[in-house]
Amino acid sequence: SQTIHQWPATLVQPVGSPLSLECTVEGTSNPNLYWYRQAAGRGLQLLFYSVGIGQISSEVPQNLSASRPQDRQFILSSKKLLLSDSGFYLCAWGDEQGAEAFFGQGTRLTVV
Amino acid sequence: AQSVTQPDIHITVSEGASLELRCNYSYGATPYLFWYVQSPGQGLQLLLKYFSGDTLVQGIKGFEAEFKRSQSSFNLRKPSVHWSDAAEYFCAVGAGAGNMLTFGGGTRLMVKP
Repeated sequence: SQTIHQWPATLVQPVGSPLSLECTVEGTSNPNLYWYRQAAGRGLQLLFYSVGIGQISSEVPQNLSASRPQDRQFILSSKKLLLSDSGFYLCAWGDEQGAEAFFGQGTRLTVV
Repeated sequence: AQSVTQPDIHITVSEGASLELRCNYSYGATPYLFWYVQSPGQGLQLLLKYFSGDTLVQGIKGFEAEFKRSQSSFNLRKPSVHWSDAAEYFCAVGAGAGNMLTFGGGTRLMVKP
C-alpha cells in the first residue's frame, strides 16, 4: 500500500533563516505531488504541484520554492523565511487514475 | 476556474444530534467532489468522494454526502454525531484524474456533551 512521509512534524525558525521540508511517497510510481499551506484559521492554499521529476508549477508567487529531485521526493524550500511564512504545510500525492489526494501528517512551521 | 464555498465557519451540535455541513461548488462540467476531515495538528483524511453514478455516496465513520447538480451542492451528513467527530471538515472539487484539488475554507465542528 502507499504511504506518504513528511518531516519534520514541527519546526521553529528565526526570520531570515533557510527552510527545507521534505516529503516522500512509497508504494507508487510517478505520482502527482502537491504542497499546500494552511494559515491559522484558514483553508488550504495550493502552493506547488509536480507531475514529474524536475517539473514544478507554482500556484502563487511567494518566498518559497519547490523541487522534485527524485520521482517520489518533493521538497519545499526557502532561502530566507518571513514571519508570514508561518503555517501548517501539507504534502499530498495523487495518481493519474484516481482524482483524490492523499495527505501527509503536516509540518507546523513557526517563524519567530 | 473552479471554486468551493463552505458557508459555515463554525458549527456546534449536541452529541447524538444529526449533522449537515454545507458545500457549494462552481465548475463548468461535472466535478469530482470530496470531503476531508482534519483533526487538530494532523493531516487530512478522505471521508468520501463522488465521481459519477449514484448521487448519494457513503463514506467512512458513518458519513454520507449527496450531490445535487441543480444546486451545485455536495452537503455532508451524519445522522448521529459522536464526540470524536469534533474536527475541521473540508470540501474539495477536482477537475478529473490527476488534477489538483480546490478546497473550501473549512467548517470547524464542535460537539457538545
